[in-house]
Amino acid sequence: AQRVTQPEKLLSVFKGAPVELKCNYSYSGSPELFWYVQYSRQRLQLLLRHISRESIKGFTADLNKGETSFHLKKPFAQEEDSAMYYCALSGHAGGTSYGKLTFGQGTILTVHP
Amino acid sequence: DTGVSQNPRHKITKRGQNVTFRCDPISEHNRLYWYRQTLGQGPEFLTYFQNEAQLEKSRLLSDRFSAERPKGSFSTLEIQRTEQGDSAMYLCASIGTDSNYEQYFGPGTRLTVT
Repeated sequence: AQRVTQPEKLLSVFKGAPVELKCNYSYSGSPELFWYVQYSRQRLQLLLRHISRESIKGFTADLNKGETSFHLKKPFAQEEDSAMYYCALSGHAGGTSYGKLTFGQGTILTVHP
Repeated sequence: DTGVSQNPRHKITKRGQNVTFRCDPISEHNRLYWYRQTLGQGPEFLTYFQNEAQLEKSRLLSDRFSAERPKGSFSTLEIQRTEQGDSAMYLCASIGTDSNYEQYFGPGTRLTVT
């Protein structure tokens, strides 16, 4: 069984402060990890995925297989980062992704001016 | 708009009625997914299609739920004899085989069962 846990439902920081959204997962195989974001009144969209190792909008996330974590970080939060963030996992075996996503419960990030 | 579209955006129905939702994926995407999202939770997988074949169904999908993708393009999700517990946001997503597995989500259909 695969599971994604986001321990914080709410996270508030001030503009310019560092932010870290936590994500832990359980999966017996080789997972693909993603962060999806939903801004107010917009649809769910991909922020980043672990294998691309990119920084998107200043956010990075490192897959730590030992700790089964995929925390999302940004050194200096901006007001426009306020949104709902979901960590998600997709099973991956034999070079083929199953595709279906297992989501965490989400973290609402609020960045205060 | 070339993104994923869903209709209707909102549906209010009485308990016991049948409802049908439609999803139009991005045209070249061959995989289509349905998810359900209840208040305070992340989306939960319901089912997915590769072209017209339904390849996986979640245990969440009771026998009152049925999904089709008859020509491998748009998909419909039908709920028969709706119950109040079916109230949720129903999301559709699509993906192409060469898109690095990014799922593109529609805006969702919000179902309220009274």
